[in-house]
Amino acid sequence: GNSVTQMEGPVTLSEEAFLTINCTYTATGYPSLFWYVQYPGEGLQLLLKATKADDKGSNKGFEATYRKETTSFHLEKGSVQVSDSAVYFCALIIIQGAQKLVFGQGTRLTINP
Amino acid sequence: DAGITQSPRHKVTETGTPVTLRCHQTENHRYMYWYRQDPGHGLRLIHYSYGVKDTDKGEVSDGYSVSRSKTEDFLLTLESATSSQTSVYFCAISETGDQETQYFGPGTRLLVL
Repeated sequence: GNSVTQMEGPVTLSEEAFLTINCTYTATGYPSLFWYVQYPGEGLQLLLKATKADDKGSNKGFEATYRKETTSFHLEKGSVQVSDSAVYFCALIIIQGAQKLVFGQGTRLTINP
Repeated sequence: DAGITQSPRHKVTETGTPVTLRCHQTENHRYMYWYRQDPGHGLRLIHYSYGVKDTDKGEVSDGYSVSRSKTEDFLLTLESATSSQTSVYFCAISETGDQETQYFGPGTRLLVL
């Protein structure tokens, strides 16, 4: 089946630290991959996406590369800020009638000043 | 701002009572989705719609029904609420030309006592 597995949280870092949140997937074929972010009290927002192998998605200093050989889409940022504190969701899209998102369980990130 | 509102934003109800949640969009997008968010599960698709009066089941549809009588509104009904339906419910929309990108509403927090 189609599934997404994220690293266990919560993750706590100091400001300006390097961030990696691991994401691996199981899917039929090569689906597009996504990172969504949820700030406290809000809905999810698309952070970045990649549509094919070796594509790199990037936004707001975050990056993730679609790795077909390791079925991974790890999220990275070189220097985190307090404002990056949020829950991050990795997701893939499947086509069953409509296009549907399959989410990982989410990783809560807290950045301390 | 993708022009999505959800109502109510918070609701407390008792087991066995019917509950209807409303999602309203101003973008005239074709596709609408209902998800529930639970700790350790990420978001899971309940139902989705691909047009007026066109709906289909998602991964966790048992105990839920939906209706879409006009483009802008997508209703989620719990016919007889149970405690296991305590959750945060998110509506999302996507457009025909870019189904991959979904825009999420602010969520409805439902507590079933």
